[in-house]
Amino acid sequence: KAGVTQTPRYLIKTRGQQVTLSCSPISGHRSVSWYQQTPGQGLQFLFEYFSETQRNKGNFPGRFSGRQFSNSRSEMNVSTLELGDSALYLCASSLGTGETGGYTFGSGTRLTVV
Amino acid sequence: DQQVKQNSPSLSVQEGRISILNCDYTNSMFDYFLWYKKYPAEGPTFLISISSIKDKNEDGRFTVFLNKSAKHLSLHIVPSQPGDSAVYFCAAKISGNTPLVFGKGTRLSVIA
Repeated sequence: KAGVTQTPRYLIKTRGQQVTLSCSPISGHRSVSWYQQTPGQGLQFLFEYFSETQRNKGNFPGRFSGRQFSNSRSEMNVSTLELGDSALYLCASSLGTGETGGYTFGSGTRLTVV
Repeated sequence: DQQVKQNSPSLSVQEGRISILNCDYTNSMFDYFLWYKKYPAEGPTFLISISSIKDKNEDGRFTVFLNKSAKHLSLHIVPSQPGDSAVYFCAAKISGNTPLVFGKGTRLSVIA
């Protein structure tokens, strides 16, 4: 079965711009979680969407937002980009029914803010 | 506040020897723990997990040990192989619809 697909793989944006990243989960998975990975900070949880609703939220400013569509595909938006937003953004899909494990990650979108 | 801590940013081990990666956590509500492996330019891939009702779980060359009283877990890789060279992330969660909480990772280098 197809894995988790994230597009685009690479992005370069200018400070102050906004960006939208996309994540298509594994077929049948209804939960999509987003993580930010920066050097030395590990993976930090942004938010999780399940059945088009935000179910969990991490400790990020309101500039970071997301949504999920009826086909479970999810988008993440960052407005008013700052240099510190440069990171690898990863999404993970799962069934979303409270099962442990079962998180499959995409290859990520590398965002560079200049 | 880092709830999951991997205090060793890097580790070098000779091929064939044992690799031991350590992880500490502070939240006593965590009851499920996972290890992920990440190569450059790829997403993390699931390696092995353990429930808090167990103290050991083994899968081939990989064994995870959990010490609940010390809030500590470790991943043992025996024997280590050059292909094991990657960043290893420890993650924890509370059962239910809660997110995974990750450590900062440990870069393992297995030297031939």
